[in-house]
Amino acid sequence: DVKVTQSSRYLVKRTGEKVFLECVQDMDHENMFWYRQDPGLGLRLIYFSYDVKMKEKGDIPEGYSVSREKKERFSLILESASTNQTSMYLCAGASSYNSPLHFGNGTRLTVT
Amino acid sequence: QQQVKQSPQSLIVQKGGISIINCAYENTAFDYFPWYQQFPGKGPALLIAIRPDVSEKKEGRFTISFNKSAKQFSLHIMDSQPGDSATYFCAASMLGFNKFYFGSGTKLNVKP
Repeated sequence: DVKVTQSSRYLVKRTGEKVFLECVQDMDHENMFWYRQDPGLGLRLIYFSYDVKMKEKGDIPEGYSVSREKKERFSLILESASTNQTSMYLCAGASSYNSPLHFGNGTRLTVT
Repeated sequence: QQQVKQSPQSLIVQKGGISIINCAYENTAFDYFPWYQQFPGKGPALLIAIRPDVSEKKEGRFTISFNKSAKQFSLHIMDSQPGDSATYFCAASMLGFNKFYFGSGTKLNVKP
């Protein structure tokens, strides 16, 4: 069974902290994505990566960065967490263009 | 500006009834339209998808209807069951691109 695993289910951080959200996939996906999910706004793309060490900005990259040093791991970094980054964060993988997205179960981040 | 508009935001249907969720888009370059289903505590999972060369696709109780001229597509769930209670997202993407645009989601509650 295919799997995208997000290391934390819940996280609580303080304003100004540097936050790392980790995502690992075992499907040999070329492409990996970070979305945030907010009520009434659906899923919004933060960053995506189509290869190791490659990254592209999505629709809402401000305040975030990413790292992809290995094919199976894609990390989302909040350089200085703010309360408006309190959200559900979803990692996804896809094998190629227009292939279905396989999502992890999400990390619910609360910034206080 | 949301590329894909989804309605309704929430839907209550009696068991055995038909659930209908609608989506509309503006970008005529979109050529892949998936629907994702999300249960509480889980990431979204692909339910069914359609390309614009067909007007309808059916998989079991789930049907996508696609109207290219109106730039609209909808999900129909026949004989709705309590186990269908979930949040549903429509999405759209363009051939050759890895970027999916999601609707805002519909929370479906099927009452026994």
